[in-house]
Amino acid sequence: GDSVTQMEGPVTLSEEAFLTINCTYTATGYPSLFWYVQYPGEGLQLLLKATKADDKGSNKGFEATYRKETTSFHLEKGSVQVSDSAVYFCALSITGGFKTIFGAGTRLFVKA
Amino acid sequence: DTGVSQNPRHKITKRGQNVTFRCDPISEHNRLYWYRQTLGQGPEFLTYFQNEAQLEKSRLLSDRFSAERPKGSFSTLEIQRTEQGDSAMYLCASSPSGGGAGTEAFFGQGTRLTVV
Repeated sequence: GDSVTQMEGPVTLSEEAFLTINCTYTATGYPSLFWYVQYPGEGLQLLLKATKADDKGSNKGFEATYRKETTSFHLEKGSVQVSDSAVYFCALSITGGFKTIFGAGTRLFVKA
Repeated sequence: DTGVSQNPRHKITKRGQNVTFRCDPISEHNRLYWYRQTLGQGPEFLTYFQNEAQLEKSRLLSDRFSAERPKGSFSTLEIQRTEQGDSAMYLCASSPSGGGAGTEAFFGQGTRLTVV
């Protein structure tokens, strides 16, 4: 079945460090890919998305590129801030479907 | 619009009791979803409504669970005869219809259920 696998956390970085959170997927159809973020005490919110191969989603300095050949959608940021501390979820949605399938989440801690 | 609203935010109940949660989606959104999230895991799909019609239910949704969206606006999720394994965060999300698979779902803050 359709699934998402992302790197286990927690990930602990110092401020201004480079961030990569790996995400790979398995899908029977042609998915759209998402990164959602959950800040402490808040609900899930969309960070970025890509709907077709080679698309790059970007927002708030975060980027992820839809790589069909490697079935990946890795999240990157060049310089993290303390305010980026949160749980990050990679997710997919299949064309013609209606539900979103999430990975287990990766908790990020950024130290000042 | 203040986004997706869920009530209550927290619920503690004794095993065997029934509980009901409410979700108010973003007003113009036709699609409404319920998810369950346990500690250290991502949200798992439970059920989906298009307007008032419940179009899909996950195998995770046992007979003790029922969801309704009577007028295509707010939705309720009821759990009967709660068990300790039902302890989780229950998330509601909504989205507009017609946007395809790339449509963003907007999530509420969730209802945290603890069964003791």
